Amino acid sequence: GQQVMQIPQYQHVQEGEDFTTYCNSSTTLSNIQWYKQRPGGHPVFLIQLVKSGEVKKQKRLTFQFGEAKKNSSLHITATQTTDVGTYFCAANYGGSQGNLIFGKGTKLSVKP
Amino acid sequence: KAGVTQTPRYLIKTRGQQVTLSCSPISGHRSVSWYQQTPGQGLQFLFEYFSETQRNKGNFPGRFSGRQFSNSRSEMNVSTLELGDSALYLCASSSTEYNEQFFGPGTRLTVL
Repeated sequence: GQQVMQIPQYQHVQEGEDFTTYCNSSTTLSNIQWYKQRPGGHPVFLIQLVKSGEVKKQKRLTFQFGEAKKNSSLHITATQTTDVGTYFCAANYGGSQGNLIFGKGTKLSVKP
Repeated sequence: KAGVTQTPRYLIKTRGQQVTLSCSPISGHRSVSWYQQTPGQGLQFLFEYFSETQRNKGNFPGRFSGRQFSNSRSEMNVSTLELGDSALYLCASSSTEYNEQFFGPGTRLTVL
């Protein structure tokens, strides 16, 4: 089946450092979504990217969708302890929403 | 609006038993998806229901089944439980207009 690779699996940073997680697919995506799951919580939608080369920003978070629509990244500038959690990308290969394929996630820990 | 609710929140069963989990979507949402989350496999798509019809199905054995009622509430059933079915089962709803998935708090199933 289709898979989306997400790296790194873990990232430990000092508060104030930047953080980036990457998702890669071997097949062109219809769109990609990003979610955040806090420890003990459930995934919460962050954003959806649809267009080739799209870049969206949410405060300190920058999301990018590759030109070929096969990869995406999430970059956090100057991490804070509130950024702790696991970040998932979710790939949509087309069709209905049920075709979302989640990456394994990147678990971010932030040392104050 | 009230969020997605799932019952029960915690469940302990023994091998061979069956279990039914319930999900109430956000009012107005007609799509309900179910996911299994484990530390090893991450978030895996089980199935999606829309207007009482299963629209998509993931790669899980037939022991996993679901249904959706006319009020969009959904249930999933797992028969002949195995130890490997221990997981967090998440339900997510979405509207027809927007693609984002709203997750419930999940049901933590432990199979002994």
